[in-house]
Amino acid sequence: EAQVTQNPRYLITVTGKKLTVTCSQNMNHEYMSWYRQDPGLGLRQIYYSMNVEVTDKGDVPEGYKVSRKEKRNFPLILESPSPNQTSLYFCASSPGTGFSYEQYFGPGTRLTVT
Amino acid sequence: GENVEQHPSTLSVQEGDSAVIKCTYSDSASNYFPWYKQELGKRPQLIIDIRSNVGEKKDQRIAVTLNKTAKHFSLHITETQPEDSAVYFCAASSTNTGNQFYFGTGTSLTVIP
Repeated sequence: EAQVTQNPRYLITVTGKKLTVTCSQNMNHEYMSWYRQDPGLGLRQIYYSMNVEVTDKGDVPEGYKVSRKEKRNFPLILESPSPNQTSLYFCASSPGTGFSYEQYFGPGTRLTVT
Repeated sequence: GENVEQHPSTLSVQEGDSAVIKCTYSDSASNYFPWYKQELGKRPQLIIDIRSNVGEKKDQRIAVTLNKTAKHFSLHITETQPEDSAVYFCAASSTNTGNQFYFGTGTSLTVIP
């Protein structure tokens, strides 16, 4: 089944404790992206990647890191989480070609930082 | 960077009526405009998209119109049904300059049976 998976789905952590949210897709998509969703603010792009070893900052990259060492994986790293990073996070992937830019979203990760 | 504004933030319609959601964008380089639907507790899913070389696109009860001169685009849902109740997000992107996506703040649509 074609899908985007994220782990963990729920995470409660404390300020300053490094964490990684994994994202994997099995559709051979070139494009992958991370978003955070907050009430009243919609979806805001954190980082995106057009291909392996290519990453770019989105609208809200501060406090986050990403890597794209393999085509299928795009982990999101919070090296020193703070309470203002409490949010719902979505990973997404897309063919990223001239034919289709449809983004397929993962199930989401709800992160709480205390 | 791009700025996408979406209105209204909430919308209630009677079943069978039409619903219209409007978005404006600021960057004339944007050339791809998708609409996503997010049901409660679920992930966003694409329902329709339009590129800047097209003025209108329809898919059954859903249509999107784009006015490049005025930099606005709209989602039209006809003959609304209770299952259309969800949050709808518009977005804009420039596929020529990196594919960064900018989303609107969402419209919560309620279809009253």
